[in-house]
Amino acid sequence: GNSVTQMEGPVTLSEEAFLTINCTYTATGYPSLFWYVQYPGEGLQLLLKATKADDKGSNKGFEATYRKETTSFHLEKGSVQVSDSAVYFCALTPSSGTYKYIFGTGTRLKVLA
Amino acid sequence: GAGVSQSPSNKVTEKGKDVELRCDPISGHTALYWYRQRLGQGLEFLIYFQGNSAPDKSGLPSDRFSAERTGESVSTLTIQRTQQEDSAVYLCASSLASDTQYFGPGTRLTVL
Repeated sequence: GNSVTQMEGPVTLSEEAFLTINCTYTATGYPSLFWYVQYPGEGLQLLLKATKADDKGSNKGFEATYRKETTSFHLEKGSVQVSDSAVYFCALTPSSGTYKYIFGTGTRLKVLA
Repeated sequence: GAGVSQSPSNKVTEKGKDVELRCDPISGHTALYWYRQRLGQGLEFLIYFQGNSAPDKSGLPSDRFSAERTGESVSTLTIQRTQQEDSAVYLCASSLASDTQYFGPGTRLTVL
């Protein structure tokens, strides 16, 4: 079946540190991949997405590349800020019936000034 | 509206009571989804609406859970005879067809 596995948190970094949050997936066919972010007290927001192999999604300094050979979609940012503190969710939609998101368990990021 | 809204934001109820959770999707979004987020866990898909019909109810955990949507707009998730394991954040999302889903802030349900 389809599943998403992401690294457990919490991840605590100092401001301006490099961030990587690992995400791997299991899916049949060619899923679309997403990163959502949930800031404290707010709903999930789409951060970035990639719909085919080797695509790179990017937004707000965050990047993730769709790697089919390693079934991964790791989230990276070169220099984190305190305002990036949030919970990050990796998700996929299967290649067919694309409405059903499969989410990872979320990774909490805390950035210290 | 500008975004997906949900009400109430918090609900505390006693075991055995019924609760209704409301979702107002983004205007014009034909698809609507309910998810459940238990503490420390990922989001679980509950049900999907296309218009007013629900082609996929596979995620509803038991027959105590039901949902309806009217006027291709508002949706209500009803939980009957609540149990403590129903305590979670219930999230609603909407989208245009099968495009990106936009999430509401959620309703935190606590069953005592």
